[in-house]
Order: sequence, then C-alpha cells, then structure tokens
Amino acid sequence: GAVVSQHPSWVICKSGTSVKIECRSLDFQATTMFWYRQFPKQSLMLMATSNEGSKATYEQGVEKDKFLINHASLTLSTLTVTSAHPEDSSFYICSARGLGQGLTDTQYFGPGTRLTVL
Amino acid sequence: AQKVTQAQTEISVVEKEDVTLDCVYETRDTTYYLFWYKQPPSGELVFLIRRNSFDEQNEISGRYSWNFQKSTSSFNFTITASQVVDSAVYFCALSAQFYNQGGKLIFGQGTELSVKP
Repeated sequence: GAVVSQHPSWVICKSGTSVKIECRSLDFQATTMFWYRQFPKQSLMLMATSNEGSKATYEQGVEKDKFLINHASLTLSTLTVTSAHPEDSSFYICSARGLGQGLTDTQYFGPGTRLTVL
Repeated sequence: AQKVTQAQTEISVVEKEDVTLDCVYETRDTTYYLFWYKQPPSGELVFLIRRNSFDEQNEISGRYSWNFQKSTSSFNFTITASQVVDSAVYFCALSAQFYNQGGKLIFGQGTELSVKP
C-alpha cells in the first residue's frame, strides 16, 4: 500500500520549452502532495506544498510562475517547469500524504523525475 | 527553529559489520514526528520508520533498529550485520506541529552508507 508514481522518470528537453511532471497516488487518496528538488549529493529541498483543490504554497525563493503546480484531484498533482533553462536541470521528487489510518502522518515518495535541459 | 543534523556524511563498512547512523534534531514543539528514509542509487525514497514524540520505545525490525532519546534529541539508526544491499543514502527527517505547519518534513543532509563485500 501507499504507492506513489511519477511520470516521466526522466526527460530531456531544449532550453525554453516547458515540461510537465505527473505525480499520482495509486492506492490512496492524497490530500496533500509535496514537490521537492534534489541536486547531486545533496538533501531534498522542498519547493511547494499542494492541497487538493487549493493553490499551492511555495517555499521562499521558489518562483511560482516558473514552477506551476496543480492538484486537481485526490490522486494527481502536476508540476510544470515553464521555459526551462539548464539551471533547472535536477531531480524532482513528489510525495503524498493521504487519508486514513497511518497515511496522514507519513509522506510517501514517488520514484523521482530526472530533468535535463540542454 | 527546526533542524536535523546528520553529522556523518559518508560511512564505509565491510559486509556483516554493524553500523549506526546518527541523527540529532532541534525543535521547540512538544508534538513532532521523526522519520528515517532510505534512498538507494535508483533515487526513490523508501520510508523506513516513523516515531512520534510521545513514544520513546526503541524499535527493531529485522536487522534494523532505532534508538529514540528525547533527553539528547537523538534518533539513531543501527543496521546489524550489514549487507551490500544496504548501500544507500539515509535521511533522517522531522515533522513538527503536524497540523499547524502542514506536516512539512525537515530533512537532514543525509548519510551515504557504502557496504563493501
């Protein structure tokens, strides 16, 4: 139980294009989803918190117009990197916290998406 | 302020050795959760354990054990008889005032464990 998927697992795009990453909770309803960014050999950096049906809350320093987050249903959140540039290349990871016993107290993570911007 | 410190950046052991990963946390909240996650080379974070601040019982799960001591604000993780498959980066994390702060996780910097055959 508590499985989170991400798609795509990796993507290569040209500078200036937009990329959408999907995060799905497969076997539970996720009231809250989180988006993280991780650079090589570093810890996870929280980018934003997204509650179903509400606008995402972005962490300080994260450009909300560049990293668009949508959480339209209890099982799906999307992160769109708009007008991507090489400095946006990173490993993006989502997590979900859901309803039900034990699910509200723990974040379950997706497998991550490796974005490379040429 | 909330903070998690994993002072050991890298640890290298030989298979079958026991190894302890240290985690020290700071929080002013009286209600909080502590977590350990494993990140193998594939990148996916795997949930290992959650502990709430009111439960100081140590826990054992197979070769894994956790020692939670509020007096020293530590939540250490021990792997007994380590195996090559244990090689990964291990993160300790804190989630304080769960409902008030939306359950955000504060991560430590991670400890990279390398188990050599």
